[in-house]
Amino acid sequence: GQQLNQSPQSMFIQEGEDVSMNCTSSSIFNTWLWYKQDPGEGPVLLIALYKAGELTSNGRLTAQFGITRKDSFLNISASIPSDVGIYFCAGQSSGAQKLVFGQGTRLTINP
Amino acid sequence: GAVVSQHPSRVICKSGTSVKIECRSLDFQATTMFWYRQFPKKSLMLMATSNEGSKATYEQGVEKDKFLINHASLTLSTLTVTSAHPEDSSFYICSALKTSGGWYEQYFGPGTRLTVT
Repeated sequence: GQQLNQSPQSMFIQEGEDVSMNCTSSSIFNTWLWYKQDPGEGPVLLIALYKAGELTSNGRLTAQFGITRKDSFLNISASIPSDVGIYFCAGQSSGAQKLVFGQGTRLTINP
Repeated sequence: GAVVSQHPSRVICKSGTSVKIECRSLDFQATTMFWYRQFPKKSLMLMATSNEGSKATYEQGVEKDKFLINHASLTLSTLTVTSAHPEDSSFYICSALKTSGGWYEQYFGPGTRLTVT
């Protein structure tokens, strides 16, 4: 089946640093989504990407849909304490409604 | 954005009893909803796709008679864990599918923590 490899699995950074995480797939996706999950909560949609090569920003977050349609990255600039959480990438194939999720990146920020 | 609610947020039940979890899309209609299960420090595992007015589609390995899904309206899907056992204890999350400009976006509920004693 389809699999997403998300890396890194965890990150420990200082407040104010930039963060980068990515997902790669063995197959093509038509849509890439990035979610953030706080402890004990459901994932919250951060950015949705629909076209290969698309670069989209949401405040301090920037995500890109890879040209090959098999990868995506998420950058967070000037991290702040509320950025702590688990970030998931998710891919959606053409005509499919289901999402395939990455394993998640756990972000910890030292003040 | 779009808002999805879940009720209850936490439930503790005794082994052998059944528990119903509700998922509602509050500000949009969703013909399709999804039910996930999440173990500690793990990613989301899709259990089933809930389709309004028709039978749910279960993922491989998920017992349909144990996890009953009903999607009776365009804003409500329910998951009933029947004859619950301690191994069913988990974090259950629903999502609702919203179409936007021809694209699909999944919006998640806040989750339900089930503990079976």
